[in-house]
Amino acid sequence: DAGVTQSPTHLIKTRGQQVTLRCSPKSGHDTVSWYQQALGQGPQFIFQYYEEEERQRGNFPDRFSGHQFPNYSSELNVNALLLGDSALYLCASSLYGGLGSGNTIYFGEGSWLTVV
Amino acid sequence: AQSVTQPDIHITVSEGASLELRCNYSYGATPYLFWYVQSPGQGLQLLLKYFSGDTLVQGIKGFEAEFKRSQSSFNLRKPSVHWSDAAEYFCAVVLRSNDYKLSFGAGTTVTVRA
Repeated sequence: DAGVTQSPTHLIKTRGQQVTLRCSPKSGHDTVSWYQQALGQGPQFIFQYYEEEERQRGNFPDRFSGHQFPNYSSELNVNALLLGDSALYLCASSLYGGLGSGNTIYFGEGSWLTVV
Repeated sequence: AQSVTQPDIHITVSEGASLELRCNYSYGATPYLFWYVQSPGQGLQLLLKYFSGDTLVQGIKGFEAEFKRSQSSFNLRKPSVHWSDAAEYFCAVVLRSNDYKLSFGAGTTVTVRA
């Protein structure tokens, strides 16, 4: 059973460019969340998708957007990249119902984004 | 301000010794509490979680955590550390049962010396 898979593993972009990161959830999961983890910090919640809609959002600017497809996979898009966007981007999947209801969230290994 | 605090940035422990990682939270109500471990090349893995009930929670890999409401703490412990426990450990909270937003502490790096 494949867990959460993310691509690409590493990428380098130039300031001002746009980037798309991809995520396939664990088999059977219908909810996807994205996190940003800067070096030396804990992950920060970007947003969560269910039924192809953004359901919950953290404190990130509109430059960060996402999409969920009918097969539950998801993309994270970041426009107008800044140097400060350099980070590990983690995708996580779970069943719908919230993490306080007993659902376990599974994380992928992440996509390392470097903005130069 | 609402926050999760892990006071220790880095802890070094000898193999076979005990380990305790501290976590304090500052929220109006008791949140749902989690501990995750992150090893190089691996994603974040859930060690254990506390929602209610018995304040001593058992997790995977021989870890346990104790919830203390009076101290707003949820400290992680392991009686005897193995070299494979070297990793980054994160305390995290969720505020409501239907919430997906995990709020993480800054993490504690654990180094295990032979």
